[in-house]
Amino acid sequence: KNQVEQSPQSLIILEGKNCTLQCNYTVSPFSNLRWYKQDTGRGPVSLTIMTFSENTKSNGRYTATLDADTKQSSLHITASQLSDSASYICVVSAIHHNNDMRFGAGTRLTVKP
Amino acid sequence: DTEVTQTPKHLVMGMTNKKSLKCEQHMGHRAMYWYKQKAKKPPELMFVYSYEKLSINESVPSRFSPECPNSSLLNLHLHALQPEDSALYLCASSQDGAGNQPQHFGDGTRLSIL
Repeated sequence: KNQVEQSPQSLIILEGKNCTLQCNYTVSPFSNLRWYKQDTGRGPVSLTIMTFSENTKSNGRYTATLDADTKQSSLHITASQLSDSASYICVVSAIHHNNDMRFGAGTRLTVKP
Repeated sequence: DTEVTQTPKHLVMGMTNKKSLKCEQHMGHRAMYWYKQKAKKPPELMFVYSYEKLSINESVPSRFSPECPNSSLLNLHLHALQPEDSALYLCASSQDGAGNQPQHFGDGTRLSIL
């Protein structure tokens, strides 16, 4: 079983609407959680990184939240744009295994006009 | 444009060929990574170099051979690949190997094995 589960697998929304993507993890001991955006045919781009003590972090219209107690994170996209169409990948790292990153399968977001 | 440059962007090779993928960054990062990504799947970590030394090899077949000639360059030498090795190969770098830093990814090399 993957240690990082993302939902939904895919999502279609209309331009201008908001949406929230979910990431649940079992990786332990927790070090940090990252959200990446990957456009088709491009490499992933880092959106946010959160450590244990951080509950929320924003990057423009992207806001990530983290609940380390329930081991859940969400990525909220506000006022979606066509350029937000991409895969969003949640990556969780464990302490003492600095390069041991567990990738979620991603959520494929499509924003339609 | 990304700050991590990968060449070539596309590569088609036969199973008996020898080729190399190249990755370059000039951000002063001391950790560099190779990932393999199949369609509609997340990237899978292959190798990690930290301060030009191989620190992680995720049980990758020996037909993939990484090389880090200096802190700015990372190569992946390919030999006798199989059709199932066709994928997008991504290079990434981070400030060092510590976990709290973002990884900067290149746009990858799309590899097709005939």
